[in-house]
Amino acid sequence: GAGVSQSPSNKVTEKGKDVELRCDPISGHTALYWYRQRLGQGLEFLIYFQGNSAPDKSGLPSDRFSAERTGESVSTLTIQRTQQEDSAVYLCASSSRQGARETQYFGPGTRLLVL
Amino acid sequence: SQQGEEDPQALSIQEGENATMNCSYKTSINNLQWYRQNSGRGLVHLILIRSNEREKHSGRLRVTLDTSKKSSSLLITASRAADTASYFCATLDTGRRALTFGSGTRLQVQP
Repeated sequence: GAGVSQSPSNKVTEKGKDVELRCDPISGHTALYWYRQRLGQGLEFLIYFQGNSAPDKSGLPSDRFSAERTGESVSTLTIQRTQQEDSAVYLCASSSRQGARETQYFGPGTRLLVL
Repeated sequence: SQQGEEDPQALSIQEGENATMNCSYKTSINNLQWYRQNSGRGLVHLILIRSNEREKHSGRLRVTLDTSKKSSSLLITASRAADTASYFCATLDTGRRALTFGSGTRLQVQP
């Protein structure tokens, strides 16, 4: 079956512009996660959805970052008034609710470059 | 914030040799997972070890977990050039759903 997909693959934008990143999780997966990975570093957690509610937004770095999810499907991560420090790969993952054996399946990521 | 620290940061070995990577963490966990990443893009899940397990095998991979020392190791036996990638440990902390990742080990396997 299809894995997690993300679009666009790459995005170049100018400082101050808004961007929207999209994630299509694996069908039937109730949990969806957004992470950010700066060059040469590990992943930083941003936000987690269970269904269309977000019980954990603790990783969002500022109020310029927001995300939404419609039902148990597509999620959009929006970054307003982008800054150069926002340049990174944004990775989405999904999982089915399996408690302590939860495995997250990752998409290929969106590489964002803010000029 | 990143709680995992991985050691070494970079490792270069010859094909056929074994590669060992270590990970330390700070909090109480439900499980610890290892992921592989090629070319800075999507991550591939390799293996999951639960907090009540001490060792797990999957093919050429062997993972150990020592919760008293808050550390884990990943051993790749008989390495191949295709194993060249970055390897990350990630913990599922007690009471949370999101993974906390280490900074990764870059493995280079020379043919």
